[in-house]
Parts: sequence; structure tokens; C-alpha cells
Amino acid sequence: GENVEQHPSTLSVQEGDSAVIKCTYSDSASNYFPWYKQELGKRPQLIIDIRSNVGEKKDQRIAVTLNKTAKHFSLHITETQPEDSAVYFCAASRGGGFKTIFGAGTRLFVKA
Amino acid sequence: NAGVTQTPKFRVLKTGQSMTLLCAQDMNHEYMYWYRQDPGMGLRLIHYSVGEGTTAKGEVPDGYNVSRLKKQNFLLGLESAAPSQTSVYFCASRFNTGGNTEAFFGQGTRLTVV
Repeated sequence: GENVEQHPSTLSVQEGDSAVIKCTYSDSASNYFPWYKQELGKRPQLIIDIRSNVGEKKDQRIAVTLNKTAKHFSLHITETQPEDSAVYFCAASRGGGFKTIFGAGTRLFVKA
Repeated sequence: NAGVTQTPKFRVLKTGQSMTLLCAQDMNHEYMYWYRQDPGMGLRLIHYSVGEGTTAKGEVPDGYNVSRLKKQNFLLGLESAAPSQTSVYFCASRFNTGGNTEAFFGQGTRLTVV
């Protein structure tokens, strides 16, 4: 069945360093790849998304890259800040599809 | 505009008890979802609905039932709660635009079954 694998499960970085989270997906028909951030005790919220017709998208310190051939996509956070500490989820869904499949999440710690 | 609202926020149940979780959205979204979140397992889809009066099973539907009698509400029922259903439950909704769009989540319900 459809599956999204996410690595690493935990990531600890020093403030100001970059953080990279990687995901692979199994459904070759997937064409929408959102990333959600969940702060402690809060709801997941979309931070960036990418569609299969582009290879990279940036929004200030956050960027996402997509390699359709290899079926993997990554989240890059530059100049990390303590407020970036949270759990990040990648996800994948197919066009016209109803279901979004989530990765298991990455807990990011940014040390001041 | 409240977005997606879940009721209750916390609940403790005894094994075998039943309860209903309510999800309400005021964004006129067609699609609604119930997920459970467990440590190290991400968000797993329990049931979903693509419109009023329709429901479908997700990845982990056993032990749960749902109903979507009104477009704005999606109810999740536990008929006979089990300790394995201890989890944080999230409702989500999104537009049906033909393409894929952002899902908006409720604030979560922390359920403990003892």
C-alpha cells in the first residue's frame, strides 16, 4: 500500500545551523507534498508544500526539494532558531485523491 | 471564522465505555478526516468523508465508526473503548478543488482509556 518514510526521527542542531529532513514515498502517482509543523501540544499546521511539476520551492528560511525519479523530497531549514523546535511531518497525496499519507514525523531540537 | 473545532479536548474513559468526538468546521470544506497520533507513528487515518452523507475507511478503522449527517460536522464514535485506543485524535478538513490542498486541523482530543 501507500507509504511515506521519514528520516531522521530526531534531529538536534545548534542555533544558526541548517536542518534537513528527508522523506520517500511509494505511490508513483503522488503529486502533492505538504510539510506540517506541530509545536508541543498544538495542532499540525502547513508550512510549505510542493507540487510535482516543480523541483524546488522556497519561502524565506524554508525550502523543499522534490526528486520525482527517486521518489523523495526534503525539507531544508536554514539559520535555525529556537522557535523552529517542533515535530515536522511530511506527507504525500495523489491528484484527485482523497487521502494524504503522513510520515512518522521528525522531532527537531534547536539548541540556543 | 473558527476553522476546525473539536469537542472535547480531553477525556478519560473506562474500558468498554462509549463516546463520540465531534468535529465542526465553518469553512464549507467537502473533505473531512479523522486521524490518530501515537508516538513515533505519525498521523494515521481512521476514517474520512468526501461529502455529506458519505464516509470511508482509512488505514486503522477497526473499533471506530463515523457519521457525516451535516456538511460541517464529522463525528467519530468509539462503541466499546479499549486501552489501545488511548491516543491523541485530530480532525482535519480541506477543500475539494480537483487538485490537492492544505488540510486544516482541529486542536486535538487527548483520550485515555483505562
